[in-house]
Amino acid sequence: NAGVTQTPKFQVLKTGQSMTLQCAQDMNHNSMYWYRQDPGMGLRLIYYSASEGTTDKGEVPNGYNVSRLNKREFSLRLESAAPSQTSVYFCASSERSSDGYTFGSGTRLTVV
Amino acid sequence: QKEVEQDPGPLSVPEGAIVSLNCTYSNSAFQYFMWYRQYSRKGPELLMYTYSSGNKEDGRFTAQVDKSSKYISLFIRDSQPSDSATYLCAMSVRRLGAGSYQLTFGKGTKLSVIP
Repeated sequence: NAGVTQTPKFQVLKTGQSMTLQCAQDMNHNSMYWYRQDPGMGLRLIYYSASEGTTDKGEVPNGYNVSRLNKREFSLRLESAAPSQTSVYFCASSERSSDGYTFGSGTRLTVV
Repeated sequence: QKEVEQDPGPLSVPEGAIVSLNCTYSNSAFQYFMWYRQYSRKGPELLMYTYSSGNKEDGRFTAQVDKSSKYISLFIRDSQPSDSATYLCAMSVRRLGAGSYQLTFGKGTKLSVIP
């Protein structure tokens, strides 16, 4: 099915470990986004890429890096995981930044 | 004041009821207004998308935007147990210097429709 694919779906990390969350879309969308969702906090934008070759910080970028590998793929890297990064991470994409977003099914990350 | 305010609920209604979900906002520059539905342990999915003030209808769903009051609503008619989910409002504005629109989400209202 067309859409946004995120891997892995679940992950447990120890404090200080690093990992990369992968995201790919097959809708030929220009813009891609990474959000985290926490109870009582809602969806918060970490980083976004308005188009291939550009990335910008969102509301909560500290502790994260991103790479827009090509038009399809946008990865999120945690260099040194902290318990505060325990969350559900969603990748999304849109044709234009003014359009509605298509979300992936999420990655549930626990940092112990 | 937060840019987007949404009552988190939870809201519990009997099957067949009319549901009203609401958000208020403070930034008069918001231009596009959306409603997303999120089932438990799933990603949000776009339900309704509007640009102007007024009503937009899609089946049992009606989205209403009142820019003068900075208030948006989602009405669900003949609610079904399958409508049980968290509903998030969202609105976007063009950010100066960034050259792109950014979406701000409400925190979501959890709805349960009881058979």
